[in-house]
Amino acid sequence: AQSVSQHNHHVILSEAASLELGCNYSYGGTVNLFWYVQYPGQHLQLLLKYFSGDPLVKGIKGFEAEFIKSKFSFNLRKPSVQWSDTAEYFCAVNDAGNMLTFGGGTRLMVKP
Amino acid sequence: AAGVIQSPRHLIKEKRETATLKCYPIPRHDTVYWYQQGPGQDPQFLISFYEKMQSDKGSIPDRFSAQQFSDYHSELNMSSLELGDSALYFCASSLRQGRSPLHFGNGTRLTVT
Repeated sequence: AQSVSQHNHHVILSEAASLELGCNYSYGGTVNLFWYVQYPGQHLQLLLKYFSGDPLVKGIKGFEAEFIKSKFSFNLRKPSVQWSDTAEYFCAVNDAGNMLTFGGGTRLMVKP
Repeated sequence: AAGVIQSPRHLIKEKRETATLKCYPIPRHDTVYWYQQGPGQDPQFLISFYEKMQSDKGSIPDRFSAQQFSDYHSELNMSSLELGDSALYFCASSLRQGRSPLHFGNGTRLTVT
């Protein structure tokens, strides 16, 4: 069975700091990769996704993620975070069997 | 450690048939959420339960119903299935007190033919 690891469980940043959240997965075949976000009091929404093509994926709200196949990684980045980015972020991987495996989540707090 | 279990993993149904999806939360979790994600689509929140009562309702069609049982597992019942219901349905559970993080199941892939 595949697994997804998010190494940072809690991250605290000041506004304007740069963000990078790690995501590594174990499946060796073709994968689709996702980052989801859950803002406080809201439901899960899709931040960005990678299916194929350019490994650098741009998402909403200035987020991007880079798929590095050789490292089995799909790290999420944002050059300058805002207080409104305070949320929980989940990485997920969809394998050829179309099952979706989520990482444990990273809780980001941005201090104003 | 026990995770969120969903069954079945794959389900193929014909139009107008019914389907029941099951979600078994992590032990002691009291809240269950259901999401639907169509191919290439954003996840859509369907419905959630807290302590066996519906706590929030999203874009769940009237043809669908759900409940949470005394052992906290939840079932999503889908009737009069349509082709557009083909999607990945995943559930998540959490413990409301202390705002514990969401834990997700692997999903059920429903294909309606």
